[in-house]
Amino acid sequence: GNSVTQMEGPVTLSEEAFLTINCTYTATGYPSLFWYVQYPGEGLQLLLKATKADDKGSNKGFEATYRKETTSFHLEKGSVQVSDSAVYFCALMFTGGGNKLTFGTGTQLKVEL
Amino acid sequence: GAGVSQTPSNKVTEKGKYVELRCDPISGHTALYWYRQSLGQGPEFLIYFQGTGAADDSGLPNDRFFAVRPEGSVSTLKIQRTERGDSAVYLCASSLRRGDLVDEQFFGPGTRLTVL
Repeated sequence: GNSVTQMEGPVTLSEEAFLTINCTYTATGYPSLFWYVQYPGEGLQLLLKATKADDKGSNKGFEATYRKETTSFHLEKGSVQVSDSAVYFCALMFTGGGNKLTFGTGTQLKVEL
Repeated sequence: GAGVSQTPSNKVTEKGKYVELRCDPISGHTALYWYRQSLGQGPEFLIYFQGTGAADDSGLPNDRFFAVRPEGSVSTLKIQRTERGDSAVYLCASSLRRGDLVDEQFFGPGTRLTVL
């Protein structure tokens, strides 16, 4: 079946550090890929997405590139802020079949001053 | 505009009891999804509605779980004979579902269910 694997957290960084959160997937075919974020006390929010190979999704300074050859969708940000502290979920979806999302286990990011 | 709302925000019940969890989607969204998130895990798909019908219920863990959406808007997830393993946060999401386009799912805050 389809699955998503994320690096385990928590990831603790100092403000302005570079962030990478690794995400790889296993699927038959070519899914759409997503990063969702859950800030403390809030619901899941879509952060960015990519729907085909080599697409780059970007939002709020975060980027991720859909790499078909390595089945990866790593999340990056050049300079994190304390306000980026949250749990980040990588997910995949196949359209045409109900658009249900398959999530990874989540990676907690803590950014300190 | 209002987002997806879920009630109650917290529900504590005893093993063997029946519970209902409610989801109010964003107005005009035809697709509605239920997910379950256990502690330390990502959300897991339970069921998907397109309009009033359950188009995919492959994620429901067993026949104690049932969901309805009688008028194509509000949905209720029903759990019979609750077990301690049912304790989790139950998330609802809705989307416009424009054919096969990849549209965004908007999530509610969730209902935290605790079965004692």
